[in-house]
Amino acid sequence: GENVEQHPSTLSVQEGDSAVIKCTYSDSASNYFPWYKQELGKRPQLIIDIRSNVGEKKDQRIAVTLNKTAKHFSLHITETQPEDSAVYFCAASGTGGYNKLIFGAGTRLAVHP
Amino acid sequence: KAGVTQTPRYLIKTRGQQVTLSCSPISGHRSVSWYQQTPGQGLQFLFEYFSETQRNKGNFPGRFSGRQFSNSRSEMNVSTLELGDSALYLCASTGPSGANVLTFGAGSRLTVL
Repeated sequence: GENVEQHPSTLSVQEGDSAVIKCTYSDSASNYFPWYKQELGKRPQLIIDIRSNVGEKKDQRIAVTLNKTAKHFSLHITETQPEDSAVYFCAASGTGGYNKLIFGAGTRLAVHP
Repeated sequence: KAGVTQTPRYLIKTRGQQVTLSCSPISGHRSVSWYQQTPGQGLQFLFEYFSETQRNKGNFPGRFSGRQFSNSRSEMNVSTLELGDSALYLCASTGPSGANVLTFGAGSRLTVL
């Protein structure tokens, strides 16, 4: 069935370091891969996304890479700041389309000053 | 531009009762999706509505149902509540220019006692 695996489940870094979160998806038909950030008690917010016709996308300190052959995609955050501390979710578009997303289990990122 | 609005924000029910949650999408957005978020299962797709029609459905029992009105507002209903239905129920809307791009509401936190 449809599945998205996300690693690691927790990540602790020092301020200024880089953080990398990796996801693997199962459905070869998936063509849209967003990343959401969820702070404690808040709603998930889209931070970056990539479509299957693009291999890499960057927005300031965050970037996403996609390897369709291996069904892997990753989130890279550079120069981390304490306000980057949150739970990050990767997702892949699901079977049947129509705005159905299959989410990974989440990565709790802690950035220590 | 107002965001996605969900009501009520918090509610407590007892086993066997039923509950109705409401979601008003961003103005101009005609697609509304519903997700269940729990610590154990993460974010799981419930269903998606567009122009009053359910276009896609996740793997939830028939106790979970929804509908959409002509003004794009959506409701979801859970009947015969079980303890395991305790969760944050998130609604997301998608506009015409962003396929799969979900904007989430703040959620309705349901506690079943």
